[in-house]
Amino acid sequence: GENVEQHPSTLSVQEGDSAVIKCTYSDSASNYFPWYKQELGKRPQLIIDIRSNVGEKKDQRIAVTLNKTAKHFSLHITETQPEDSAVYFCAASSGTDKLIFGTGTRLQVFP
Amino acid sequence: GAVVSQHPSWVICKSGTSVKIECRSLDFQATTMFWYRQFPKQSLMLMATSNEGSKATYEQGVEKDKFLINHASLTLSTLTVTSAHPEDSSFYICSVTGLAGYNEQFFGPGTRLTVL
Repeated sequence: GENVEQHPSTLSVQEGDSAVIKCTYSDSASNYFPWYKQELGKRPQLIIDIRSNVGEKKDQRIAVTLNKTAKHFSLHITETQPEDSAVYFCAASSGTDKLIFGTGTRLQVFP
Repeated sequence: GAVVSQHPSWVICKSGTSVKIECRSLDFQATTMFWYRQFPKQSLMLMATSNEGSKATYEQGVEKDKFLINHASLTLSTLTVTSAHPEDSSFYICSVTGLAGYNEQFFGPGTRLTVL
């Protein structure tokens, strides 16, 4: 089955700097890659997603890149703000609707 | 996206009792719902796929007789933790999938279960 690895597990950045989180997946049939932000005790919130027919997608300060050949995808947050502090999860889906999540990255943005 | 609710938001029970958690899709008819479990500081682990009108599909290692899932309508799926033990204490989250083939999932607010 699908396996998703995520790095780093923790990431600390200064406000205004960029943050990059990377994920790799194992199932070459995976075609949908969402990123979720989860604050403590809250539900995961979809922040951006990408499908396998696209290499890059951007939404304001957030961007996701996908390399199908290498089977990895990355989340890029620019101009980080303290409110970006949360746990971020990548996930992959192979068309069965089932999502397999990465292990999570705790992002801390220091003012 | 779909609006998903869960009830209760938290529950404390004694060891050996059963607890039922409800997941409702408020504005969308969901033929498929998912149940996840999340331990503190860990990722979401898929427990089972709930299919309206048929049996749930459980992930490897999840005991179907312990975690009973019922998806009797297009807006409601229930997860019953039977004979709960302290190790079942966790954050249980459901999700609803959108249009078939689009993969997007919308999550409920979660239920924190504490078994004493």
